[in-house]
Parts: sequence; C-alpha cells; structure tokens
Amino acid sequence: DGGITQSPKYLFRKEGQNVTLSCEQNLNHDAMYWYRQDPGQGLRLIYYSQIVNDFQKGDIAEGYSVSREKKESFPLTVTSAQKNPTAFYLCASSIDRGGNEQFFGPGTRLTVL
Amino acid sequence: KNQVEQSPQSLIILEGKNCTLQCNYTVSPFSNLRWYKQDTGRGPVSLTIMTFSENTKSNGRYTATLDADTKQSSLHITASQLSDSASYICVVSGNTPLVFGKGTRLSVIA
Repeated sequence: DGGITQSPKYLFRKEGQNVTLSCEQNLNHDAMYWYRQDPGQGLRLIYYSQIVNDFQKGDIAEGYSVSREKKESFPLTVTSAQKNPTAFYLCASSIDRGGNEQFFGPGTRLTVL
Repeated sequence: KNQVEQSPQSLIILEGKNCTLQCNYTVSPFSNLRWYKQDTGRGPVSLTIMTFSENTKSNGRYTATLDADTKQSSLHITASQLSDSASYICVVSGNTPLVFGKGTRLSVIA
C-alpha cells in the first residue's frame, strides 16, 4: 500500500517539552515538506527537504527542527521555543522540488496543555 | 507579493445543487494551479491540475476552469452530495514554493 503516513494522529504535550512528529513515505519521492495549518489560515511551510541530508527553512521555521537521514523519513521536532505550537501539522512529499503534485499525509493534531 | 485569494470563505448548499468556488492569484511566473479537497481532520487530496495552456479540466462532478490572463480560476461542483462537505484549497505553483489559498469551507446539507 503506497502512500505517506504520519503518527501519531493526536498528540498532547505539556508546555516546555519537545515533541517529535513522524512522517514516512514509500512513494520513492525525493522531496518532503512540513506544513502547519491553523483555523482560517492557509497552509504555511515550516521546512522542506529536496534530498537526503539536506533541508531548508520555510516561512515559519522558528521553534522547529527536522532531519532527513533517510529518503523515506522526515521527522519534525517541535521545540519548547515554539511559542504557539498547538496546530494541525501536515507532511507532504513530491517527486522533486518543482511544481509536481504534493501528496499529503493524514496529519497530526498537536495540543499543548 | 505572491498571493492566492479564495471566495467565498464558506458556503452552505442543499444536496443536489450546484456551486462555484473562486480563486484569484497574483503568483508570477505561473507554472500550474491545483485544487485540493480537504476533509475535516485529514490531509488535502488533489482534484485537478491545470497548466498555463489549459482552460478547463474535469474530474467527475468537479470542473475547474482557468483564465491565465485575468489570473482567475473556479471550481464548479455539479449535483452536490453530502460527501462533498469539505474545504477546497486552491494552490498555485511558480518559481517559488507553493502558494496556498485559505480555502473555502463547503457544507452540503440534506
């Protein structure tokens, strides 16, 4: 079953804690992305990666970190430095960094208590 | 500034009726425009893609149009069903990262 998966579906954390969101794809895509979605807002790009061991900041990278040690995996860490971390987080992948279709995962809803 | 504006923000229609969603963009240069459907609490799924030379593209009951001169696109939904209730997001690709609209929230009621 090909696709992009995210886990967990729901995540709760206390203020001051770091938390890591998982994103895995078996589509053999080179590019992967992390977006944040808030109510009434469009998707905002946090980080993206075009190739293994390389990643770039998006529009709202502050308070977040990523790694790309494997082609299939692009985990996102929400650090305690992120001031408003409660949001819906979406991971996506595409064949390359061009205008090709991005395939989205099911999302992770993070709530900070 | 590269922007994508969608209207209306939200829409309620009766099951079986048609509706049209609008998307205006200022992204330049332009590569392609996609419409995505996003069910509540799920990831977006692509409905249609149009390049500069395409005026219309259909996917079942969904028909998208593009006017590259006026930088406008529309998504027409025919004979709406309850399962069409979702957010519809217009996404434009150019030389920059994808530019997302805020979406139109469609509610289809019986």
